[in-house]
Amino acid sequence: GNSVTQMEGPVTLSEEAFLTINCTYTATGYPSLFWYVQYPGEGLQLLLKATKADDKGSNKGFEATYRKETTSFHLEKGSVQVSDSAVYFCALSPNTGRRALTFGSGTRLQVQP
Amino acid sequence: DVKVTQSSRYLVKRTGEKVFLECVQDMDHENMFWYRQDPGLGLRLIYFSYDVKMKEKGDIPEGYSVSREKKERFSLILESASTNQTSMYLCASRSHASGSTDTQYFGPGTRLTVL
Repeated sequence: GNSVTQMEGPVTLSEEAFLTINCTYTATGYPSLFWYVQYPGEGLQLLLKATKADDKGSNKGFEATYRKETTSFHLEKGSVQVSDSAVYFCALSPNTGRRALTFGSGTRLQVQP
Repeated sequence: DVKVTQSSRYLVKRTGEKVFLECVQDMDHENMFWYRQDPGLGLRLIYFSYDVKMKEKGDIPEGYSVSREKKERFSLILESASTNQTSMYLCASRSHASGSTDTQYFGPGTRLTVL
């Protein structure tokens, strides 16, 4: 079946540090890949997505590249801010069959001033 | 903007009670989903609905049922609540137009505690 594995948190960084959150997946075919973010007390919001190999999704300074050869979709940001503190979820949606999201376990990011 | 609303932010129920969680979306989306979120497990799919009166089991449907009588509303029902159903419940909707590439829009969640 489909699965998503992401690094365990919490990840604690100082403001302006470089961020990487690793995400790898297992799926048949060519799924679409997503990063969702959940700020404290809120539901999930889409951060970025990529629908085919080598696509790069980007939003709010965050980037992730769909790497088919390594089945990865790592999230990066060059300079984090305190306001980026949240839980980040990697997810995939298959392109056939039941097209529901499969989520990773989430990674909590804490950015200190 | 798409808006997905859930009937309650917090609920406290007793073991054995029947519990209704309501979700409403305002974008005429065909697909709607119920997930539960637990620490260390991420989000797991309970049920989803392709369209009105159509439903399909997700990965963890045991102990739950759903109802979709109108396009904008998707209800999750706990027939007899148990303590292991204490969790955060998230509803989402999506347009059917592009299938897997379309964004799912989430509600704010309902934190349910079963005593």
